[in-house]
Amino acid sequence: QQQVKQSPQSLIVQKGGISIINCAYENTAFDYFPWYQQFPGKGPALLIAIRPDVSEKKEGRFTISFNKSAKQFSLHIMDSQPGDSATYFCAASKDGGSTLGRLYFGRGTQLTVWP
Amino acid sequence: DAGVIQSPRHEVTEMGQEVTLRCKPISGHNSLFWYRQTMMRGLELLIYFNNNVPIDDSGMPEDRFSAKMPNASFSTLKIQPSEPRDSAVYFCASSRIQGTYGYTFGSGTRLTVV
Repeated sequence: QQQVKQSPQSLIVQKGGISIINCAYENTAFDYFPWYQQFPGKGPALLIAIRPDVSEKKEGRFTISFNKSAKQFSLHIMDSQPGDSATYFCAASKDGGSTLGRLYFGRGTQLTVWP
Repeated sequence: DAGVIQSPRHEVTEMGQEVTLRCKPISGHNSLFWYRQTMMRGLELLIYFNNNVPIDDSGMPEDRFSAKMPNASFSTLKIQPSEPRDSAVYFCASSRIQGTYGYTFGSGTRLTVV
């Protein structure tokens, strides 16, 4: 079954708006939650990641919010730009993200930012 | 750093033919992953290796699929015989076993089986 559930499947946002993508998980052993960004014709690339000991991590316009009790985490893209148009994947793993514990990916969200 | 290198970028083959996809991981990375991406199923992990040893191949869909990693710098994914439902983008990714450096993906091989 899907270990990480991601929504929405697609998202359209105006330039300058906030894009929000949500993920939920069941396995409480997960302790590493990265987000990947994929452009057409390219492989996914690590964007930002968080551990459950913090509730928020910010890198530039990208912020991860983490709610351990609800087993949910989300990606917020502030001041969304057309160049942010891509597919975004959330993921989760155990063992601190080492490959002793493999990554489980969500199904992806296709983001389109209109100019 | 040249990144993860996959070849070919595109492959079109006829049903029943053998297909071999190739991957060169980043030097120093000791874990290697093969993923398949489709619209219907998203990113699926097929198999992964740690230190050239297959750890989990439960994602390999059928016996028609096989993967090898003869050394730290090369891996292959073979489909024999190929079927139209194998059409997808196949990604290779590599990582270090310890630490949280994340996965580095290649640019993928787009396979079309007609």
